[in-house]
Amino acid sequence: QVQLVQSGADVKKPGTSVKVSCKTSGYIFTSYSITWVRQAPGQGLEWMGWIILHNGDTNYAQEFQDRVTMTTDTSTSTAYMELRSLRSDDTAVYYCARRTKGIRADGFWDAFDVWGQGTVVTVSS
Amino acid sequence: QSVLTQPPSASGTPGQRVTISCSGSSSNIGSNAVSWYQQLPGTGPKLLIYSSHQLPSGVPDRFSGSKSGTSASLAVSGLQSEDEADYYCASWDASLNGYVFGTGTKVTVL
Repeated sequence: QVQLVQSGADVKKPGTSVKVSCKTSGYIFTSYSITWVRQAPGQGLEWMGWIILHNGDTNYAQEFQDRVTMTTDTSTSTAYMELRSLRSDDTAVYYCARRTKGIRADGFWDAFDVWGQGTVVTVSS
Repeated sequence: QSVLTQPPSASGTPGQRVTISCSGSSSNIGSNAVSWYQQLPGTGPKLLIYSSHQLPSGVPDRFSGSKSGTSASLAVSGLQSEDEADYYCASWDASLNGYVFGTGTKVTVL
C-alpha cells in the first residue's frame, strides 16, 4: 500500500538547519508531487510548499521562500525538506504528504491524500 | 494568519448532524476546489473530502462537503464518538500563489 515514512525527531539550536526525509513506497514516485505542511504545538496546519517530481519544480509559501529547500532522490523514492536559520517558533511537527490532482466537470482539483507520520522538530538553545 | 476562517468549535450528541463552515474569498474558495482534513487527537491529518464534495475511498458517507460562492461546508451526519477530532478546510489561493488551510474546528461529541 502507499506509505510515506518520515525521519525521526530532531533537536536543533537556533540559527542551524534541519533536514527531514520522507521515504515513499507503493506507488510511482515521479507521478505525484510531495507537499510539506507543519503544525506548531497547539496550532493549526501551515502549508510550506511542494515539489513537482516529474520536473523538479518547486513552489514555496512566501513565508518560507528564503529559508526552505525541497529536494528529492528518485533512486530511493525519498523527498527531503531543509529549513535553515531555525528559530524557536519553527518548533513544530513537520508532515510530508502526497499531492494528488485531477479535473472534473466543475474544474481542476487537488488534495493531499496520503500523509507521513510526522517529524517533531524542536528548536531550543 | 489563515485566510480561510472556520469556527473554533462545534459540538453535538451522538446521532446528531454537525456542520462546519469555511469562509474564504474570490482568490481561494471562490475560484478553486476545497478539500477537508480530519485530525484525530495525537495523529496526523487524513483526507476527508476532495474536489469540494467528493469522498475518498474508505471515508463513510456520513461525511459530506459542499461549496457555494466563497464559502464551503463540511457536514457530519449521525455523529459518532470517533468523529471527535479537529477538522481543517484547504484550498489553493491564486493571490498568494500558495495553498491555505483553514483555522481549524474542534468537534466535540457530547
